[in-house]
Amino acid sequence: GQNIDQPTEMTATEGAIVQINCTYQTSGFNGLFWYQQHAGEAPTFLSYNVLDGLEEKGRFSSFLSRSKGYSYLLLKELQMKDSASYLCAVRRSYNTDKLIFGTGTRLQVFP
Amino acid sequence: DVKVTQSSRYLVKRTGEKVFLECVQDMDHENMFWYRQDPGLGLRLIYFSYDVKMKEKGDIPEGYSVSREKKERFSLILESASTNQTSMYLCASSLEGRLQYGYTFGSGTRLTVV
Repeated sequence: GQNIDQPTEMTATEGAIVQINCTYQTSGFNGLFWYQQHAGEAPTFLSYNVLDGLEEKGRFSSFLSRSKGYSYLLLKELQMKDSASYLCAVRRSYNTDKLIFGTGTRLQVFP
Repeated sequence: DVKVTQSSRYLVKRTGEKVFLECVQDMDHENMFWYRQDPGLGLRLIYFSYDVKMKEKGDIPEGYSVSREKKERFSLILESASTNQTSMYLCASSLEGRLQYGYTFGSGTRLTVV
Protein backbone atom coordinates (compact mmCIF):
# COMPACT_ATOMS: atom_id res chain seq x y z
CA GLY A 1 0.00 0.00 0.00
CA GLN A 2 0.88 3.67 -0.06
CA ASN A 3 1.80 5.25 3.25
CA ILE A 4 2.78 8.78 4.15
CA ASP A 5 3.27 9.58 7.83
CA GLN A 6 3.45 12.94 9.56
CA PRO A 7 2.95 13.95 13.17
CA THR A 8 -0.61 15.08 13.81
CA GLU A 9 0.17 18.18 15.84
CA MET A 10 3.12 20.28 16.87
CA THR A 11 3.53 23.43 18.92
CA ALA A 12 6.32 25.99 18.90
CA THR A 13 7.14 29.47 20.11
CA GLU A 14 7.34 32.63 18.04
CA GLY A 15 10.92 33.21 16.84
CA ALA A 16 11.92 29.56 17.26
CA ILE A 17 12.78 26.89 14.68
CA VAL A 18 10.53 23.88 14.06
CA GLN A 19 11.09 20.75 11.96
CA ILE A 20 8.11 18.82 10.57
CA ASN A 21 8.97 15.29 9.50
CA CYS A 22 7.42 13.17 6.78
CA THR A 23 8.18 9.53 6.03
CA TYR A 24 6.81 7.74 3.01
CA GLN A 25 6.51 4.24 1.63
CA THR A 26 5.11 4.33 -1.88
CA SER A 27 5.26 2.20 -4.99
CA GLY A 28 7.42 4.58 -6.96
CA PHE A 29 8.78 8.03 -6.22
CA ASN A 30 9.19 11.06 -8.43
CA GLY A 31 9.08 14.03 -6.10
CA LEU A 32 7.92 15.25 -2.72
CA PHE A 33 5.87 18.36 -2.09
CA TRP A 34 5.04 20.47 0.93
CA TYR A 35 1.89 22.57 1.12
CA GLN A 36 0.67 25.02 3.73
CA GLN A 37 -3.03 25.20 4.59
CA HIS A 38 -4.49 27.81 6.91
CA ALA A 39 -7.76 26.88 8.59
CA GLY A 40 -10.66 27.19 6.17
CA GLU A 41 -8.43 28.01 3.23
CA ALA A 42 -6.97 26.25 0.20
CA PRO A 43 -3.56 24.58 0.42
CA THR A 44 -0.74 26.62 -1.09
CA PHE A 45 2.44 25.21 -2.57
CA LEU A 46 5.61 25.63 -0.50
CA SER A 47 8.33 23.40 -1.89
CA TYR A 48 9.33 20.56 -4.16
CA ASN A 49 12.20 18.08 -3.77
CA VAL A 50 13.08 15.37 -6.26
CA LEU A 51 16.80 14.93 -5.52
CA ASP A 52 18.43 14.33 -2.16
CA GLY A 53 19.42 17.36 -0.19
CA LEU A 54 18.20 20.65 1.14
CA GLU A 55 16.20 23.27 -0.76
CA GLU A 56 16.02 26.68 0.87
CA LYS A 57 13.39 29.33 0.28
CA GLY A 58 13.59 32.22 2.68
CA ARG A 59 12.52 31.12 6.16
CA PHE A 60 11.41 27.71 4.86
CA SER A 61 13.68 24.82 3.86
CA SER A 62 12.83 21.30 2.77
CA PHE A 63 15.06 18.25 2.90
CA LEU A 64 14.80 14.91 1.15
CA SER A 65 16.52 11.54 1.59
CA ARG A 66 15.20 9.09 -1.00
CA SER A 67 17.11 6.12 0.42
CA LYS A 68 15.42 6.65 3.80
CA GLY A 69 12.01 7.62 2.44
CA TYR A 70 12.21 10.74 4.56
CA SER A 71 11.66 14.46 4.25
CA TYR A 72 11.38 17.37 6.60
CA LEU A 73 10.17 20.94 6.39
CA LEU A 74 12.17 23.40 8.47
CA LEU A 75 10.59 26.68 9.48
CA LYS A 76 12.89 29.33 10.95
CA GLU A 77 12.10 32.55 12.83
CA LEU A 78 8.57 31.38 13.42
CA GLN A 79 5.78 33.92 13.17
CA MET A 80 2.22 33.72 14.41
CA LYS A 81 1.01 33.57 10.81
CA ASP A 82 2.88 30.26 10.40
CA SER A 83 0.15 28.60 12.47
CA ALA A 84 -1.37 26.28 9.86
CA SER A 85 -1.47 22.70 8.70
CA TYR A 86 1.48 21.44 6.66
CA LEU A 87 0.80 18.73 4.12
CA CYS A 88 3.40 16.35 2.72
CA ALA A 89 2.62 14.81 -0.68
CA VAL A 90 4.39 12.35 -2.97
CA ARG A 91 4.33 11.98 -6.73
CA ARG A 92 4.80 8.32 -7.61
CA SER A 93 5.68 8.56 -11.27
CA TYR A 94 7.03 11.06 -13.77
CA ASN A 95 4.16 10.37 -16.17
CA THR A 96 1.35 11.45 -13.88
CA ASP A 97 0.61 14.59 -11.89
CA LYS A 98 -1.37 12.64 -9.28
CA LEU A 99 -0.18 13.19 -5.73
CA ILE A 100 -0.70 11.13 -2.58
CA PHE A 101 -1.08 13.29 0.51
CA GLY A 102 -0.25 12.64 4.13
CA THR A 103 -2.82 13.55 6.77
CA GLY A 104 -1.06 16.82 7.57
CA THR A 105 0.62 18.31 10.62
CA ARG A 106 -1.19 21.08 12.48
CA LEU A 107 1.35 23.58 13.79
CA GLN A 108 0.42 26.07 16.48
CA VAL A 109 2.77 28.96 17.14
CA PHE A 110 2.49 30.64 20.53
CA PRO A 111 3.77 34.09 21.50
CA ASP B 1 -3.46 36.55 -10.40
CA VAL B 2 -4.04 32.98 -11.50
CA LYS B 3 -7.08 31.32 -10.07
CA VAL B 4 -9.03 28.18 -9.50
CA THR B 5 -12.62 29.04 -8.65
CA GLN B 6 -15.12 26.71 -7.06
CA SER B 7 -18.69 27.75 -7.54
CA SER B 8 -19.93 27.29 -3.97
CA ARG B 9 -18.17 27.71 -0.64
CA TYR B 10 -20.90 25.95 1.36
CA LEU B 11 -23.58 23.58 0.17
CA VAL B 12 -26.30 21.64 1.98
CA LYS B 13 -28.05 18.85 0.09
CA ARG B 14 -30.49 16.09 0.93
CA THR B 15 -29.75 12.38 0.76
CA GLY B 16 -30.46 11.03 -2.70
CA GLU B 17 -30.09 14.35 -4.51
CA LYS B 18 -27.85 14.68 -7.54
CA VAL B 19 -25.16 17.23 -6.72
CA PHE B 20 -22.91 19.18 -9.07
CA LEU B 21 -19.68 20.80 -7.88
CA GLU B 22 -18.11 23.14 -10.40
CA CYS B 23 -14.50 24.18 -10.78
CA VAL B 24 -13.08 26.69 -13.26
CA GLN B 25 -9.42 27.63 -13.81
CA ASP B 26 -8.09 30.51 -15.87
CA MET B 27 -4.51 29.31 -16.28
CA ASP B 28 -4.91 27.08 -19.35
CA HIS B 29 -3.80 24.09 -17.26
CA GLU B 30 -4.19 20.66 -18.83
CA ASN B 31 -4.56 18.73 -15.57
CA MET B 32 -7.42 19.13 -13.12
CA PHE B 33 -8.17 17.18 -9.96
CA TRP B 34 -10.90 16.62 -7.43
CA TYR B 35 -9.89 15.72 -3.87
CA ARG B 36 -11.91 15.37 -0.72
CA GLN B 37 -10.46 16.31 2.64
CA ASP B 38 -11.59 14.69 5.86
CA PRO B 39 -10.14 15.02 9.38
CA GLY B 40 -7.60 12.31 10.07
CA LEU B 41 -7.66 11.09 6.46
CA GLY B 42 -6.02 13.96 4.62
CA LEU B 43 -6.65 14.67 0.96
CA ARG B 44 -7.82 11.74 -1.11
CA LEU B 45 -8.04 11.80 -4.90
CA ILE B 46 -11.50 11.17 -6.36
CA TYR B 47 -10.92 11.77 -10.08
CA PHE B 48 -8.58 13.66 -12.31
CA SER B 49 -8.55 14.80 -15.91
CA TYR B 50 -5.50 15.30 -18.10
CA ASP B 51 -7.30 16.76 -21.10
CA VAL B 52 -10.74 17.69 -22.37
CA LYS B 53 -13.08 14.69 -22.20
CA MET B 54 -10.28 12.59 -20.66
CA LYS B 55 -10.60 11.35 -17.11
CA GLU B 56 -9.10 8.80 -14.79
CA LYS B 57 -10.31 7.36 -11.51
CA GLY B 58 -8.47 8.27 -8.37
CA ASP B 59 -8.38 6.34 -5.13
CA ILE B 60 -12.01 6.79 -4.06
CA PRO B 61 -14.22 7.21 -7.18
CA GLU B 62 -17.24 5.24 -5.94
CA GLY B 63 -20.38 7.33 -5.89
CA TYR B 64 -18.85 10.09 -8.02
CA SER B 65 -18.50 10.93 -11.68
CA VAL B 66 -16.86 13.84 -13.50
CA SER B 67 -17.25 15.87 -16.63
CA ARG B 68 -14.72 17.91 -18.58
CA GLU B 69 -16.27 19.34 -21.71
CA LYS B 70 -14.03 22.42 -21.82
CA LYS B 71 -10.42 22.80 -20.78
CA GLU B 72 -11.13 25.36 -18.08
CA ARG B 73 -14.02 23.56 -16.37
CA PHE B 74 -14.04 20.31 -14.38
CA SER B 75 -17.26 19.21 -12.71
CA LEU B 76 -17.70 16.66 -9.95
CA ILE B 77 -21.06 14.91 -9.81
CA LEU B 78 -22.49 13.04 -6.86
CA GLU B 79 -25.01 10.77 -8.53
CA SER B 80 -27.08 10.19 -5.38
CA ALA B 81 -25.73 12.04 -2.39
CA SER B 82 -25.24 10.14 0.83
CA THR B 83 -24.32 11.30 4.32
CA ASN B 84 -20.85 9.73 4.04
CA GLN B 85 -20.12 12.19 1.24
CA THR B 86 -20.28 15.07 3.69
CA SER B 87 -16.82 16.54 3.32
CA MET B 88 -14.63 19.39 2.10
CA TYR B 89 -14.10 19.10 -1.65
CA LEU B 90 -11.03 20.68 -3.19
CA CYS B 91 -10.39 21.23 -6.87
CA ALA B 92 -6.83 21.71 -8.14
CA SER B 93 -5.05 22.20 -11.42
CA SER B 94 -1.51 21.84 -12.73
CA LEU B 95 0.36 22.68 -15.89
CA GLU B 96 1.53 19.66 -17.84
CA GLY B 97 5.27 19.14 -17.40
CA ARG B 98 5.49 21.81 -14.71
CA LEU B 99 4.45 19.98 -11.55
CA GLN B 100 7.56 21.28 -9.80
CA TYR B 101 5.53 24.45 -9.33
CA GLY B 102 2.82 22.49 -7.55
CA TYR B 103 -0.92 22.44 -7.79
CA THR B 104 -3.10 25.52 -7.61
CA PHE B 105 -6.06 24.78 -5.40
CA GLY B 106 -9.50 26.30 -5.26
CA SER B 107 -10.90 27.55 -1.95
CA GLY B 108 -12.96 24.42 -1.45
CA THR B 109 -16.63 23.53 -1.18
CA ARG B 110 -17.85 22.31 2.18
CA LEU B 111 -20.70 19.93 1.38
CA THR B 112 -23.13 18.72 4.01
CA VAL B 113 -25.55 15.93 3.09
CA VAL B 114 -28.51 15.65 5.45
